[in-house]
Amino acid sequence: EPEVTQTPSHQVTQMGQEVILRCVPISNHLYFYWYRQILGQKVEFLVSFYNNEISEKSEIFDDQFSVERPDGSNFTLKIRSTKLEDSAMYFCASSVHEAQPQHFGDGTRLSIL
Amino acid sequence: GEDVEQSLFLSVREGDSSVINCTYTDSSSTYLYWYKQEPGAGLQLLTYIFSNMDMKQDQRLTVLLNKKDKHLSLRIADTQTGDSAIYFCAESGQAGTALIFGKGTTLSVSS
Repeated sequence: EPEVTQTPSHQVTQMGQEVILRCVPISNHLYFYWYRQILGQKVEFLVSFYNNEISEKSEIFDDQFSVERPDGSNFTLKIRSTKLEDSAMYFCASSVHEAQPQHFGDGTRLSIL
Repeated sequence: GEDVEQSLFLSVREGDSSVINCTYTDSSSTYLYWYKQEPGAGLQLLTYIFSNMDMKQDQRLTVLLNKKDKHLSLRIADTQTGDSAIYFCAESGQAGTALIFGKGTTLSVSS
C-alpha cells in the first residue's frame, strides 16, 4: 500500500539553526499538510498546500516557517531559526482531495538544543 | 473555537470489547476520523465516517456517530494485545482542510 515517507526520522539541531524536514507524499495525492505534536500535547495543524501554494495555515505557522514543493515528489518544511519550543514530532500528510482522508507519515522527531 | 475531547486512558482484557469515546464542538464537520498511533510510529488512519452517517462497520471496528450530541465512538470487538496503542479522534473543521485532533486515548490490553 502506498505510504507517506518522511526523512530524517530524528533531527537534532542547535537553537538558531535552520532545519529542513522532508516528506514524499503519496504519488497521486494533490493536497499536502504539516502537523506537529509537542510531547504530551495534541497534534496541531500547521499548514496545507495545494497547486504550489499555501491554502491554509494556522497561527503557529509564522514567518519562521516555510513550505516548498521543490520537485514533483518532495514536500519540505523549513524552520528558519529554530527555537527550543520548536522541539516536537512533525508529521507530514497527504490526501487526494481536501475533503478526503489524510494519510500520515511516521514523523520526524525534531530536538532543539 | 473548535475542540475535540477524549478520555485519556482505557484498560481492557484481551477478548473483551473496547469502546473509545470522543466529543467534538464543530457541528459543520464533514468527516470524523479515528487514527491509531503505535509506540514510535506515525498516525495510521483506522477508519472514518461521513457526517451524514450514523454508523460504519469495518471488520472488528464499529464507528457510531450521534450528531445531535456531537459524540463519536469507536468500538473494537475481540480486542487483542496488538490493539494496544493511542487512538486519536479527529474532525475536519470549518476551514475544510485542517484536522482538529483530540489528545488521544491510550488503550492498554492485558492478557
